[in-house]
Amino acid sequence: GENVEQHPSTLSVQEGDSAVIKCTYSDSASNYFPWYKQELGKRPQLIIDIRSNVGEKKDQRIAVTLNKTAKHFSLHITETQPEDSAVYFCAASRAGYSTLTFGKGTMLLVSP
Amino acid sequence: SAVISQKPSRDICQRGTSLTIQCQVDSQVTMMFWYRQQPGQSLTLIATANQGSEATYESGFVIDKFPISRPNLTFSTLTVSNMSPEDSSIYLCSADRHNEQFFGPGTRLTVL
Repeated sequence: GENVEQHPSTLSVQEGDSAVIKCTYSDSASNYFPWYKQELGKRPQLIIDIRSNVGEKKDQRIAVTLNKTAKHFSLHITETQPEDSAVYFCAASRAGYSTLTFGKGTMLLVSP
Repeated sequence: SAVISQKPSRDICQRGTSLTIQCQVDSQVTMMFWYRQQPGQSLTLIATANQGSEATYESGFVIDKFPISRPNLTFSTLTVSNMSPEDSSIYLCSADRHNEQFFGPGTRLTVL
């Protein structure tokens, strides 16, 4: 089955800095890669996703890149703000399937 | 996005008892999912619930312990049976809409 590795497990940055979280996956048939943000005590929220026919996708301060050859994808947050502090999860799923395999999560701490 | 609600939001139960968690989606969806999230951990898929068919369980989860119902396209229940303290966790449902997965707020279960 699919295996998703996520790094780092914790990331501390100063407000205004950029943050990058990286994930690798094992199943070459995976073609959908969402990112979720989970604040303490809240539900995971979908913040951005990318499909294998696209190499990069941006939404304001957030971007995701995908390298299918290397089987890795990354989340980039620019101009970080304290409200970006949360746990971020990457996930992957195969074509035709909805089940997601999640990474272990990255706790992002943005200091003012 | 989909609006998903869960009941109860939290409960404290005695070992050996069962608890049924309800999940309601604001519109019809084909696939619903149940996850478990231990404190500080990632999300682990328990099963996929499709309307009109039996749920599909992931490795390590069995129907006798986690029976699931899916009576229609907007509702599902997960029962945690014969509970032990090891079942203490957050249980989340999710729904797939337009190939994106959205989560309910979760049910925090404590088993004494």
